[in-house]
Amino acid sequence: DADVTQTPRNRITKTGKRIMLECSQTKGHDRMYWYRQDPGLGLRLIYYSFDVKDINKGEISDGYSVSRQAQAKFSLSLESAIPNQTALYFCATSDPGPNRLTQYFGPGTRLTVL
Amino acid sequence: GESVGLHLPTLSVQEGDNSIINCAYSNSASDYFIWYKQESGKGPQFIIDIRSNMDKRQGQRVTVLLNKTVKHLSLQIAATQPGDSAVYFCAENAGYSTLTFGKGTMLLVSP
Repeated sequence: DADVTQTPRNRITKTGKRIMLECSQTKGHDRMYWYRQDPGLGLRLIYYSFDVKDINKGEISDGYSVSRQAQAKFSLSLESAIPNQTALYFCATSDPGPNRLTQYFGPGTRLTVL
Repeated sequence: GESVGLHLPTLSVQEGDNSIINCAYSNSASDYFIWYKQESGKGPQFIIDIRSNMDKRQGQRVTVLLNKTVKHLSLQIAATQPGDSAVYFCAENAGYSTLTFGKGTMLLVSP
């Protein structure tokens, strides 16, 4: 959705490099999420944030960190990239309230670590 | 774009047929379920959701059925079209406002 944007869309990097993936949204949602997707697997939650001062680890947070700079921005960092972090990364948002579980996804970032 | 469908269960249908995609979930305490469609090179797109106090919900050309007794969820697509070709994921509420996703099923629609 154009409401949720991710940059870059593709990135190739080398082992040991620090990488930042960025997510921005114009939906006005408080909640934001980072997932990774590997071929043949579903999406796995890395980190999530319910507001600017809230950060929570997901299922697979090791090797990743996040920053919630503003309501509309949520960045994912790989401090020292390794090849098994090669994957598709998706950002998602949701609104608190009765529909808080309905998440809206960005177009994804394809990351390759050599 | 990179395929997310490698090694996925695949359902092949003819255009105009009805499709049924199944999903087994694991957590009997889950109270919310959602289906997403993911086309190649794109992010998952919301299709339909259902809460555990319902056993059926209909949308435009899609129906979700929930059987809590056997922890089974299905997505029915009526009059399947080539544009329905994608990977379909079910997800369940895993706790406070997070979702656990299934591995997905690839739907291939032949003209």
